[in-house]
Amino acid sequence: EVQLVQSGAEVKKPGESLKISCKGSGYSFTSYWIGWVRQMPGKGLEWMGIIYPGDSDTRYSPSFQGQVTISADKSISTAYLQWSSLKASDTAMYYCVRYAEAVYDMDVWGKGTTVTVSS
Amino acid sequence: QAVVTQEPSLTVSPGGTVTLTCGSSTGAVTSGHYPYWFQQKPGQAPRTLIYDTSNKHSWTPARFSGSLLGGKAALTLSGAQPEDEAEYYCLLSYSGALYVFGTGTKVTVL
Repeated sequence: EVQLVQSGAEVKKPGESLKISCKGSGYSFTSYWIGWVRQMPGKGLEWMGIIYPGDSDTRYSPSFQGQVTISADKSISTAYLQWSSLKASDTAMYYCVRYAEAVYDMDVWGKGTTVTVSS
Repeated sequence: QAVVTQEPSLTVSPGGTVTLTCGSSTGAVTSGHYPYWFQQKPGQAPRTLIYDTSNKHSWTPARFSGSLLGGKAALTLSGAQPEDEAEYYCLLSYSGALYVFGTGTKVTVL
């Protein structure tokens, strides 16, 4: 079964760093892009960026460029989303999604990771 | 960055038909935007219904269909069921692997 398994909920203080993960299984991890999506409480979906684990080619939405870092470790089939200094406004649910470029298909979603930033 | 606009809310009667649309601030939506449609129910992750304008997944109910309509991407629900009550988001692809979500449409089946 193809799955994206995301890391558990996080509670952090402003200024702290954080790295959340998205582990792929049941498919060739290096052959599909992984995208990251933010959903702030009670709000809509926002596209953050995407990475191709095969060569670590990464593209960011302008709104998130410089605010987060997307990376991947293909040896353990895991993509990451990280912050160096969290803000209260980073409080949100974060989803990863698999993207098959050849057929322009985003098919498999992770269940999401809740990040809460509060002093 | 482009703004992608959807109707804030729509109501459909059980068994009825409703069309959701997805427009781009940069001009007409075309097949080159590879429009996607996602369904999200409260407390759940999104689920992909439609990709590349009109392609369905095995889990996509046959009552959902995607198209281009009047310069916009469209999602038509024919024969609405109570379980179709949800938030629906479109996603458009722009150059350079840049994607933008729509503002979302809350569909009520009533």
